[in-house]
Amino acid sequence: GENVEQHPSTLSVQEGDSAVIKCTYSDSASNYFPWYKQELGKGPQLIIDIRSNVGEKKDQRIAVTLNKTAKHFSLHITETQPEDSAVYFCAATLGSHNDMRFGAGTRLTVKP
Amino acid sequence: GAVVSQHPSRVICKSGTSVKIECRSLDFQATTMFWYRQFPKKSLMLMATSNEGSKATYEQGVEKDKFLINHASLTLSTLTVTSAHPEDSSFYICSARAGGGGNQPQHFGDGTRLSIL
Repeated sequence: GENVEQHPSTLSVQEGDSAVIKCTYSDSASNYFPWYKQELGKGPQLIIDIRSNVGEKKDQRIAVTLNKTAKHFSLHITETQPEDSAVYFCAATLGSHNDMRFGAGTRLTVKP
Repeated sequence: GAVVSQHPSRVICKSGTSVKIECRSLDFQATTMFWYRQFPKKSLMLMATSNEGSKATYEQGVEKDKFLINHASLTLSTLTVTSAHPEDSSFYICSARAGGGGNQPQHFGDGTRLSIL
């Protein structure tokens, strides 16, 4: 089955700095990679996703990069703000399957 | 954007009670719905996958007679925790996905915190 490893487990940055979270996956057939942000007491919210036919995608301060050869993908948040503080989960899914496998999560703290 | 509504948000009940949690997709038709369990400071653990009109597919180790799932329409799935016990206390989260297969996003509800006394 698919294994998704996520690092780091915790990340603390100063407001305005960049934050990078990295994930690796095991199944080379994986073709969809979403990132979710989960705030305390809430469900995960999709913030950006990427499919295997592109290497990078950007949406304002958030970007995701994908290296299919190395089987890893990363979330980049620039100009971080305190409201970016949350737990972030990466995930990977096979196109032919119904399930999605999540990383263990990264608790991001942005200090004002 | 796609909205998934989950109710109730919190349940506190006595041991032995059965609890039903509803998950609704408000602005899209959900071909597939998923139920997850999340322990404190942990990732999401998939419990089961349900397709509209079909029996749910349960992950290994999840008791199907304990966690009853019904996906009777394209906008509603329910999870019933039967004869709940304190060890069933957890944060349960549903998600819904429109058609298109596994490379389409899942949209999550805000979860149900279940506390069994």
